Amino acid sequence: AAGVIQSPRHLIKEKRETATLKCYPIPRHDTVYWYQQGPGQDPQFLISFYEKMQSDKGSIPDRFSAQQFSDYHSELNMSSLELGDSALYFCASSPRAGDGSPLHFGNGTRLTVT
Amino acid sequence: GIQVEQSPPDLILQEGANSTLRCNFSDSVNNLQWFHQNPWGQLINLFYIPSGTKQNGRLSATTVATERYSLLYISSSQTTDSGVYFCAAMGSGSNDYKLSFGAGTTVTVRA
Repeated sequence: AAGVIQSPRHLIKEKRETATLKCYPIPRHDTVYWYQQGPGQDPQFLISFYEKMQSDKGSIPDRFSAQQFSDYHSELNMSSLELGDSALYFCASSPRAGDGSPLHFGNGTRLTVT
Repeated sequence: GIQVEQSPPDLILQEGANSTLRCNFSDSVNNLQWFHQNPWGQLINLFYIPSGTKQNGRLSATTVATERYSLLYISSSQTTDSGVYFCAAMGSGSNDYKLSFGAGTTVTVRA
């Protein structure tokens, strides 16, 4: 069965650089979620999209932005990177937002900021 | 948003032992999932269980939604069961459209 695809798997950037993470949801899933997991932490919700509109927002820094495109894939853009942005970033998808459908997680993008 | 608490925070088991992990949540839920995070960081979905009981091999889970808790049972543990187990819940309120994670239980199975 198709799963959530994230790219790249690993990314190394320097401070103040910009990074773009991509997420391709499971076909026919129209809701995408982004999570950030710091070392030794649990995943923290950043933002979600339903039918290409933002549906919920967590503690996402102003330096980060995200969008969902017409083909339902999503991108998380991170600017002015800081050392504290080093984390595992997960994307998840579900058929619909808020109805309790299970979320399916990708394998994550490990971002290292040096 | 919904609060999720897991216990114990750490668990050390001898291979072959059984164990129970607990997840308490602060509100009614329309989604509850258990995950295993392996050493490579992958979040493996174990159960989608907003209510009832499910079993998958040596693992089983029970959610008692009316009492706001869920239990994950590991039987005959193996070293490959080591890792962090997360419980995550989505509240059934009209403005909750995300999974909130607990802090996790770190399980170490010794040979």
